[in-house]
Amino acid sequence: SAVISQKPSRDICQRGTSLTIQCQVDSQVTMMFWYRQQPGQSLTLIATANQGSEATYESGFVIDKFPISRPNLTFSTLTVSNMSPEDSSIYLCSVDLQGYGYTFGSGTRLTVV
Amino acid sequence: GDSVTQMEGPVTLSEEAFLTINCTYTATGYPSLFWYVQYPGEGLQLLLKATKADDKGSNKGFEATYRKETTSFHLEKGSVQVSDSAVYFCALSIQAGTALIFGKGTTLSVSS
Repeated sequence: SAVISQKPSRDICQRGTSLTIQCQVDSQVTMMFWYRQQPGQSLTLIATANQGSEATYESGFVIDKFPISRPNLTFSTLTVSNMSPEDSSIYLCSVDLQGYGYTFGSGTRLTVV
Repeated sequence: GDSVTQMEGPVTLSEEAFLTINCTYTATGYPSLFWYVQYPGEGLQLLLKATKADDKGSNKGFEATYRKETTSFHLEKGSVQVSDSAVYFCALSIQAGTALIFGKGTTLSVSS
């Protein structure tokens, strides 16, 4: 199965600032997925990142708030912009390696103060 | 739209008890079904999966059978351990390469 390295693992940020989360996969994958897990909640899909095109965002998430880059088939970043305390969550990236199933990064635990 | 419904938690059991966590789904076509587990303070781990009707996924003593007629994928374990205490998520994928859709999660607490 794929190994995903996600960083940072956690951060405490001031409101109004931005944080960029990186996700590195040890295999080439077409799609990478970014999720948010609010405290005590399930995972909600933010966007799907396809290399070479703009990310596709789910309802309730916009590019200005969560810009995503996908420069190649093994790497992606998610930025959480102009943060507020409501953005405090765990952010996870995921890939689907066909035949192996979906693998998740270890997550970035973000606290906004 | 496509969705997953899990039984509400928390589920509290004594060690060696039988576990069932119900999961039903709504989907067009023939989704793949998954159970993920999240131990306290850790990331998401794939527990088991099934890709077609009547498939049974199994791992670490856990089992789930893909029931198309009842659109269900209930998770079972014959004898739980304290170390099974975690949050369990049922999820589906409409087709390969699309994102997973998750249920709300069920917290399991096992006491000795």
